[in-house]
Amino acid sequence: SYELTQPPSVSVSPGQTARITCSGDTLPKQFAYWFQQRPGQAPVLVIYKDSERPSGIPERFSGSTSGTTVTLTISGVRAEDEADYYCQSEDTSGTSVFGGGTKLTVL
Amino acid sequence: QVQLVQSGAEVKKPGASVKVSCKASGYTFTGYYMHWVRQAPGQGLEWMGWINPNSGGTNYAQKFQDWVTMTRDTSISTAYMELSRLRSDDTAVYYCLVIGTTWGYWGQGTLVTVSS
Repeated sequence: SYELTQPPSVSVSPGQTARITCSGDTLPKQFAYWFQQRPGQAPVLVIYKDSERPSGIPERFSGSTSGTTVTLTISGVRAEDEADYYCQSEDTSGTSVFGGGTKLTVL
Repeated sequence: QVQLVQSGAEVKKPGASVKVSCKASGYTFTGYYMHWVRQAPGQGLEWMGWINPNSGGTNYAQKFQDWVTMTRDTSISTAYMELSRLRSDDTAVYYCLVIGTTWGYWGQGTLVTVSS
């Protein structure tokens, strides 16, 4: 079955840049989406279609793609950005999958 | 604004079924697929499938093919997810999710506890 691979954890100090990667074979052909989930809360969409930012999401969140890897970048990380982040995409049959999630720790 | 409001928490015995509802508002219900996602305690997100509210067509994750049923009632803009033959490892928070052209929204989640 199709899989998306994320690092389990990323740690950064406040004000630094955090980069979270997501790898999958069909990412060159299918859009990726990124969701932020704070403890005890429902996820929130932070990036859609690889690099677009929904209304209300701070400009410090950005997305990029290169080959089979998409990257969520958070510039000027704040304490409030500490959360789990999940990528999501589809295979060519329309079946969706989530990455395993990355825990972002703000030191 | 877009809102997805789910039904309340459920406690079920092993072998029983559960049906979770998700009432949508603030957008054209029939215009976008409704996904269902679950999250077991301390675990990641697991995609279960989607329903096309316009046609009623579905696409289930292979793991759930034989025991999940997704339906909708367009007259009340509500989607449903029914899981049968529940086991203890089905204990999880179940979410509905809709992704539009420039937005995406989740329901608040429904905790389903399976315990004898």
